[in-house]
Amino acid sequence: GAVVSQHPSWVICKSGTSVKIECRSLDFQATTMFWYRQFPKQSLMLMATSNEGSKATYEQGVEKDKFLINHASLTLSTLTVTSAHPEDSSFYICSASAGEGNTIYFGEGSWLTVV
Amino acid sequence: QKEVEQDPGPLSVPEGAIVSLNCTYSNSAFQYFMWYRQYSRKGPELLMYTYSSGNKEDGRFTAQVDKSSKYISLFIRDSQPSDSATYLCAMKAAGNKLTFGGGTRVLVKP
Repeated sequence: GAVVSQHPSWVICKSGTSVKIECRSLDFQATTMFWYRQFPKQSLMLMATSNEGSKATYEQGVEKDKFLINHASLTLSTLTVTSAHPEDSSFYICSASAGEGNTIYFGEGSWLTVV
Repeated sequence: QKEVEQDPGPLSVPEGAIVSLNCTYSNSAFQYFMWYRQYSRKGPELLMYTYSSGNKEDGRFTAQVDKSSKYISLFIRDSQPSDSATYLCAMKAAGNKLTFGGGTRVLVKP
């Protein structure tokens, strides 16, 4: 069964509103979680790395004020897309690791459509 | 040049054939190597995880890592139509940040 759970799987929101996506590690404590974005027929693009209890590290070109990441506990990280616009519509995926050298598991992904 | 190169395919094989996938990389610091399977509109599913050079077998899947050649492979024996998916190689050095290949689309025809 899944060891990393994402919610919601699908979300449609109006332009200008904010959307929160949750990522939970089910069977282990995730010291590090990652957030990716994936466009159709392309590979995963890392957006940010979040470590429990500290600020996320964003990849170059990713707006930290637009994509708010919170990793408040060892089993939960959230990605909030603020003031969403149609160009933010995408497949967002999280992954989690119990630490250095440990396997990295992915969530099922969340489809965001901004209308 | 990308850090990890992977042929995008599509790779089409008849049911029962062996699927052979590979990735090359340029960063000699990579120590951990993974293969993920991704079905359309789903998150990646971990298939194999190996550390350093060598072979690892799990059911119908065999992963090989040759660090001297900076080359990794995944073989799928007795392929089934349900194996049709995109296969992503991924690797990392110290720290947990993964570097992905672009993915290979595989089609197993009944």
